[in-house]
Amino acid sequence: GENVEQHPSTLSVQEGDSAVIKCTYSDSASNYFPWYKQELGKRPQLIIDIRSNVGEKKDQRIAVTLNKTAKHFSLHITETQPEDSAVYFCAASMRAESNFGNEKLTFGTGTRLTIIP
Amino acid sequence: NAGVTQTPKFQVLKTGQSMTLQCAQDMNHNSMYWYRQDPGMGLRLIYYSASEGTTDKGEVPNGYNVSRLNKREFSLRLESAAPSQTSVYFCATRDRGIRSTDTQYFGPGTRLTVL
Repeated sequence: GENVEQHPSTLSVQEGDSAVIKCTYSDSASNYFPWYKQELGKRPQLIIDIRSNVGEKKDQRIAVTLNKTAKHFSLHITETQPEDSAVYFCAASMRAESNFGNEKLTFGTGTRLTIIP
Repeated sequence: NAGVTQTPKFQVLKTGQSMTLQCAQDMNHNSMYWYRQDPGMGLRLIYYSASEGTTDKGEVPNGYNVSRLNKREFSLRLESAAPSQTSVYFCATRDRGIRSTDTQYFGPGTRLTVL
């Protein structure tokens, strides 16, 4: 099955600086890579995702890059703000041939991001 | 629109007791999932259901059973709770089909402690 590794496990960044979180995956058939943000005591929520037919996707201050050859993808947060403090999870899955889509996500172990004011 | 709801929010069990965690959604999604979240382990899939009447094992199914009662509800049962099942349990749903965005929507979680 798929195996997703995530680094670093903790990251502290000065407010206004950039943060980068990296993930690697093992199954070359994986083609969908979402990122979830989980604030303390809350549920995980999708913040951005990327599919294997693109190399980069951006949404305001967050961006995700994908390198299919190396089987790794990264989350980039620029101009960090205190509200970016949270645990971030990467995940990977494979869209099936049928209409069923991506049935199972394999998550990384999470990165606790702390923004220092 | 409640989205995904879970009951109870908190539960304390003694070893060997049984209980059922409930999940319900009003998003008309086909797929439903149960995860457990442990410190340093991320989210691990216990069971999932692609549609009403079907269930499949995930990464860590031992000690659990599930029931997809109807399209809205997906329950997780612990028949004989063990301390190793102390965790936060999340239910999630996803729309299926060609136009699906593949986003999983999570419930608020159930914090379970087994003594």
